[in-house]
Amino acid sequence: KAGVTQTPRYLIKTRGQQVTLSCSPISGHRSVSWYQQTPGQGLQFLFEYFSETQRNKGNFPGRFSGRQFSNSRSEMNVSTLELGDSALYLCASSETTSGEFVFYNEQFFGPGTRLTVL
Amino acid sequence: GQNIDQPTEMTATEGAIVQINCTYQTSGFNGLFWYQQHAGEAPTFLSYNVLDGLEEKGHFSSFLSRSKGYSYLLLKELQMKDSASYLCAVRDGDYKLSFGAGTTVTVRA
Repeated sequence: KAGVTQTPRYLIKTRGQQVTLSCSPISGHRSVSWYQQTPGQGLQFLFEYFSETQRNKGNFPGRFSGRQFSNSRSEMNVSTLELGDSALYLCASSETTSGEFVFYNEQFFGPGTRLTVL
Repeated sequence: GQNIDQPTEMTATEGAIVQINCTYQTSGFNGLFWYQQHAGEAPTFLSYNVLDGLEEKGHFSSFLSRSKGYSYLLLKELQMKDSASYLCAVRDGDYKLSFGAGTTVTVRA
């Protein structure tokens, strides 16, 4: 099976702009999570989606939003970019069992999108 | 909020054993994960513990004590390729997954 793919891999934006990042999970995986990774803060949880529904949300401002489509692909959007949003954004997918959300399954991470805000 | 603590850095010699500790304080508990992340790469899964005790997986072992809010990852017979960051992550009562800041392990010849 192909792994988790994320596009684009690198992105440069300026303050005030908005950005949309895309994630395609492993085929058959219906659970998708997003994380922000920075050297100072480590991996910070953004959202988790399952069957097009947001199951959980981290402590990020409303400028960060996401969605999941019926084919399990997911997008996250950041509006009004700030310098502090510069980070590696990682997407991860996990398997479901019998079509149900499973909290103990391992997450498979994509390579990430490196966002630089100037 | 959730609080997950692990040491920032550890250094060990090839062939040695290293133990990476993780303490956590979360609202509820639905399991603890360990992930490995090499520089410039995505994290990869190592282990999952939800019951107290030791889970052995050959090169890696992971221990959990729920009453103490404590886990450790044991790396045995260290190899140079084990140089990486090791991330402790906890699923809380709402099934939200929170990560620690990671422990960078450097293996020296």
